[in-house]
Amino acid sequence: AQSVSQHNHHVILSEAASLELGCNYSYGGTVNLFWYVQYPGQHLQLLLKYFSGDPLVKGIKGFEAEFIKSKFSFNLRKPSVQWSDTAEYFCAVNARGGGNKLTFGTGTQLKVEL
Amino acid sequence: DAGVIQSPRHEVTEMGQEVTLRCKPISGHNSLFWYRQTMMRGLELLIYFNNNVPIDDSGMPEDRFSAKMPNASFSTLKIQPSEPRDSAVYFCASSLTGSTDTQYFGPGTRLTVL
Repeated sequence: AQSVSQHNHHVILSEAASLELGCNYSYGGTVNLFWYVQYPGQHLQLLLKYFSGDPLVKGIKGFEAEFIKSKFSFNLRKPSVQWSDTAEYFCAVNARGGGNKLTFGTGTQLKVEL
Repeated sequence: DAGVIQSPRHEVTEMGQEVTLRCKPISGHNSLFWYRQTMMRGLELLIYFNNNVPIDDSGMPEDRFSAKMPNASFSTLKIQPSEPRDSAVYFCASSLTGSTDTQYFGPGTRLTVL
């Protein structure tokens, strides 16, 4: 069964700082990868996803993520964060051929200070 | 499109009472998922349906939990009897059939069992 690790549980940044959130998964086969965001009091929304092709994926609100197959990683990045990026970020993996089941990481709580 | 609809948004009940959570998936979506989110355990998949049929219920905590999907536009998650440790936010999500499809989440039901 697949599993997902998010190593940073809490991150605090100042506005305009660069962001990188780590995500590693364990599964030997082909995977689909997702980053979801949950703003305070809101439901999960898709930030970006990777299925195939260019391993550098661009998402909404200036976020991007890079799939590095050899490292089983799918780290989320943003060059310059804003206060409005304060939220919880979840990495998720879906093993192809494993049905529609998504396995989520434990989440990273990001706080951006003015 | 109205998105995934969940009701109620908040539920407060006493231990031992029956609780029923409801979900209306996005029209045309063939897969439906129930998740539970807690501080301790993060986001956990409880059960998911494809074409109204339960596919994987391995995440359902115990026999007190049951889920049904009588038709393509409605699902329920029932807890009977409820316990304080069931307090959590319960999310419903839906997607088109297929392992590459994005899951769209509802706003969640915040359940408090006293």
